[in-house]
Amino acid sequence: DAGVIQSPRHEVTEMGQEVTLRCKPISGHNSLFWYRQTMMRGLELLIYFNNNVPIDDSGMPEDRFSAKMPNASFSTLKIQPSEPRDSAVYFCASSLEGANTEAFFGQGTRLTVV
Amino acid sequence: GENVEQHPSTLSVQEGDSAVIKCTYSDSASNYFPWYKQELGKRPQLIIDIRSNVGEKKDQRIAVTLNKTAKHFSLHITETQPEDSAVYFCAADTGGFKTIFGAGTRLFVKA
Repeated sequence: DAGVIQSPRHEVTEMGQEVTLRCKPISGHNSLFWYRQTMMRGLELLIYFNNNVPIDDSGMPEDRFSAKMPNASFSTLKIQPSEPRDSAVYFCASSLEGANTEAFFGQGTRLTVV
Repeated sequence: GENVEQHPSTLSVQEGDSAVIKCTYSDSASNYFPWYKQELGKRPQLIIDIRSNVGEKKDQRIAVTLNKTAKHFSLHITETQPEDSAVYFCAADTGGFKTIFGAGTRLFVKA
């Protein structure tokens, strides 16, 4: 297995534009997590899914952020409209059962909003 | 909800010395405590984990201890090497699909 795959690896966009980040979890994993990493705030859990269902989105910073998981092999994190303060590295991770098991991270997407 | 505090934020040691990173958690229901290592520009990767039914676990030069009464757990790295330089994150998992990370410790190992 190639591991968790995220795209794009880097994204530079102008303020106000829509940004879509993509994630393909490891096949067979039924939990998927979106994290945001910044120097100031560290690793923040934004939202997580279990069996494609959003379980907790309390970490989503505001309504400009939305996430979907239409099937077991694909998830998106969308920011609309984007703002400079959204600049960060966004990681997707998946795990086999979610609870008490290792989370496997993707390579991350480095987002820069100018 | 769960809160995980991690100290120190930065740690500098001489090669060959030991490094200790400490974390505390707030939710007594937490029962899984993984540690992740993140090298510069790379993804976090699991290096060791411990479950609530054990007090200590060791894997070569790294060990983790857990004190459930005090809600403390620690990472110990012995005989540090330059390649140990990275950011280390502790985390706590209550079993509800939610892993909460500490703020991270940036470890520098000086050759």
